[in-house]
Amino acid sequence: AQRVTQPEKLLSVFKGAPVELKCNYSYSGSPELFWYVQYSRQRLQLLLRHISRESIKGFTADLNKGETSFHLKKPFAQEEDSAMYYCALRRGGTYKYIFGTGTRLKVLA
Amino acid sequence: GAGVSQSPSNKVTEKGKDVELRCDPISGHTALYWYRQSLGQGLEFLIYFQGNSAPDKSGLPSDRFSAERTGGSVSTLTIQRTQQEDSAVYLCASSFLPGQGGTGTYEQYFGPGTRLTVT
Repeated sequence: AQRVTQPEKLLSVFKGAPVELKCNYSYSGSPELFWYVQYSRQRLQLLLRHISRESIKGFTADLNKGETSFHLKKPFAQEEDSAMYYCALRRGGTYKYIFGTGTRLKVLA
Repeated sequence: GAGVSQSPSNKVTEKGKDVELRCDPISGHTALYWYRQSLGQGLEFLIYFQGNSAPDKSGLPSDRFSAERTGGSVSTLTIQRTQQEDSAVYLCASSFLPGQGGTGTYEQYFGPGTRLTVT
């Protein structure tokens, strides 16, 4: 069965410290992986997708098929990065998305 | 332009009653999705529509849940005989389908959600 695992419910880091939000997936085919973010009192929104290989707000994520991981990284965390982050997988050939349980990131001053 | 809207924003209902949740997608978006967000459970896929048809209903938790979409636009999620475990935030999202709006533009845009509380 397809599954997305985010092992940390809460991650606290100090401002300026590096941050890594972990995401592991199980899927036998070729998935598309995404990170979504929900800031306080705002809607859930797309942060980045693996096929774009882009950096958004300083965040990057590399798909590692060998480790079936798609960890989200930022070298220097900012207070405005505090939010709920969800990793998601889209099954190839479908429009069904499978989301992880989310990680709440708190960046401390 | 207007984003995805959902109504009501909050709904409190008694156990056993039926509820209808509404989603207005972004104009022109062919795909529409419903999710349930429960505390500690992340986002649970319920159903998606491609136009007016629902190719994948596998996420609906039970036969008390149903959804329809008319005119390729507004969608309604209906929960019959509500139970306390149905309490959650119900999110709707819409998107283009791949190729419809250009390469990679099938990003999902989410609505604000409907918070359902079953007492």
